[in-house]
Formats: sequence, structure tokens, C-alpha cells
Amino acid sequence: GDSVTQMEGPVTLSEEAFLTINCTYTATGYPSLFWYVQYPGEGLQLLLKATKADDKGSNKGFEATYRKETTSFHLEKGSVQVSDSAVYFCALSSDSSASKIIFGSGTRLSIRP
Amino acid sequence: DAGITQSPRHKVTETGTPVTLRCHQTENHRYMYWYRQDPGHGLRLIHYSYGVKDTDKGEVSDGYSVSRSKTEDFLLTLESATSSQTSVYFCAISEGQGYYEQYFGPGTRLTVT
Repeated sequence: GDSVTQMEGPVTLSEEAFLTINCTYTATGYPSLFWYVQYPGEGLQLLLKATKADDKGSNKGFEATYRKETTSFHLEKGSVQVSDSAVYFCALSSDSSASKIIFGSGTRLSIRP
Repeated sequence: DAGITQSPRHKVTETGTPVTLRCHQTENHRYMYWYRQDPGHGLRLIHYSYGVKDTDKGEVSDGYSVSRSKTEDFLLTLESATSSQTSVYFCAISEGQGYYEQYFGPGTRLTVT
């Protein structure tokens, strides 16, 4: 079945560091890919998405490129801020998963001032 | 922000008692979902609905039932709560399938003692 694997956390970085959170997926067909972010005490919210191969999703300085050849959708940011501290979830939605989104287990990110 | 509310926000109950969680939306979205979030598991789908009176099971549906009698309300019932159902429960909504994002409610923290 469809699945998402993302790097385990926690990830701790200093402010202004470069961020990469790895995400790989297994799916039949052509899934849509998402990154969601969860700030403390809140529900998840969409950070960015990509719906076809080679698409790049971007938002708030974060980027991720849909790589079909490596089945990956890694999240990157060039210079992180303390306010980026949160849990990040990679997710996919495919024809085989019907109306459901499959989430990875989440990566907790902490940024030191 | 999408208009999604969950009630109650916090609940403590005893093993064996019935519990109902409510999700209410003001967006008129067709799809509604219930997830549980547990450390190390990310979000796991319990049940979802694709219209009034139309529901289906997710990956962790045992011990849970749902009902949707109106577009705006989606109820999750634990018929006889167990300690393994202690979790944070999130409701989500979406306009459609596939590349449509899901919008999440603020969550309900349920503790079963």
C-alpha cells in the first residue's frame, strides 16, 4: 500500500542554518505530495504541495521538489528562524488511497536563537 | 482560517464509558475526516465521510463509530472507551479528493483513565 517515510527527529538547528527534512514515498500511480506543519497546541496546516513530477512547491521560504525518479519530496529552507520550530509532516494522496491522505510520522524541528 | 471547531477541547473519562466528539464546519465541504495523533505514529485515519450519511473506515477504526446527519457536523463516538484510546483527536475537512488540501480543527485531547 501507499506509504510515506520521513526522517526521524528531533532536529535541532541554530537560527539562520540551512534545513533539510527528508521524505520518500511509495505509491502507485501519480500521487500529490504535501508538507503540513503543526505548531504547538494547534492542528496541522498546509505548508506547500506539488501535484506532478518536477513541480516545486514553496511557501514562507520553504521549498520542496517532487522527484519521481527518486520518489522523494524533501523539505528545504535556506535560513531558519526560531518561529519555524514545529512538527513537520510529509504526506501523499493518490488514486489508490481514494480521498485519504497518508501522513508520515512527523519530524520535530527546534531552532535555537 | 477554515471554519472548523471541535468540542470538547479536553476531556477526561473513565474506562468503559461512552464518549462523543463533535466536529463542526462552516465551509460546506463535502469531505470530513477523523484522525488520532499519537507519538511516533503521526496521524492515523479513523473514519471519513464523503457526504451526508456516507462514511467509510480508515486504518484504525476498531472501537470507533461515526455519524454525519448534516453536512456541517461529523460525530465520532467511542462506545466504550479504553485506555488505548487516550490520544489527541483531529477533525479535518476538504473540498475534494486527490490534490485538495485538508483543513484541520484545533484538536481534542482525550484521556481515558
